[in-house]
Amino acid sequence: AQSVTQLDSQVPVFEEAPVELRCNYSSSVSVYLFWYVQYPNQGLQLLLKYLSGSTLVESINGFEAEFNKSQTSFHLRKPSVHISDTAEYFCAVSTSGSARQLTFGSGTQLTVLP
Amino acid sequence: DAMVIQNPRYQVTQFGKPVTLSCSQTLNHNVMYWYQQKSSQAPKLLFHYYDKDFNNEADTPDNFQSRRPNTSFCFLDIRSPGLGDAAMYLCATSRDRQRGEYEQYFGPGTRLTVT
Repeated sequence: AQSVTQLDSQVPVFEEAPVELRCNYSSSVSVYLFWYVQYPNQGLQLLLKYLSGSTLVESINGFEAEFNKSQTSFHLRKPSVHISDTAEYFCAVSTSGSARQLTFGSGTQLTVLP
Repeated sequence: DAMVIQNPRYQVTQFGKPVTLSCSQTLNHNVMYWYQQKSSQAPKLLFHYYDKDFNNEADTPDNFQSRRPNTSFCFLDIRSPGLGDAAMYLCATSRDRQRGEYEQYFGPGTRLTVT
């Protein structure tokens, strides 16, 4: 079975500063990796995904994540954050062997300070 | 726009009074999921449907049931809500995995309060 660890439950950062949200996974088979964002009282929105190919994936709003197989990581980064990026971020993993299931990490609350 | 819709967005029910939450989708996806999310926690999968094939998670309480009358709609029934069932309930959909699409699309959620 796979598992996901998000080491940081809360990350405060000042506006326009860079940020990295860490995600590590555990799986014995090939994985598909996702970052979802959740704003207060809303559902989850897909931010970006890694299925295959280039290990660096980007979102339309400036976030990027790099799949590192040797370190079993999929950290999320943004070079300059905005107040509007304040939200909960969830890393998730799915595998070819799982029955259409996503396994979520415990989430990281990103708070951007003015 | 194709989407996942959940109604109502906020639901208040009394302890022990049955409640039904609804989800509909215009994405024509084969798979529909129900998650329970408590405050500051990750979503927890309750069950999912692959077409009409129902798949219950091993630790989902019997108090939770689901119905999928057609491709577009899926319902979550809580037969006797307890205070511990207060949570956000999220519906999600995905295409058939064999087509190579793996991501899930989430609705806005229904926040359930039990009084």
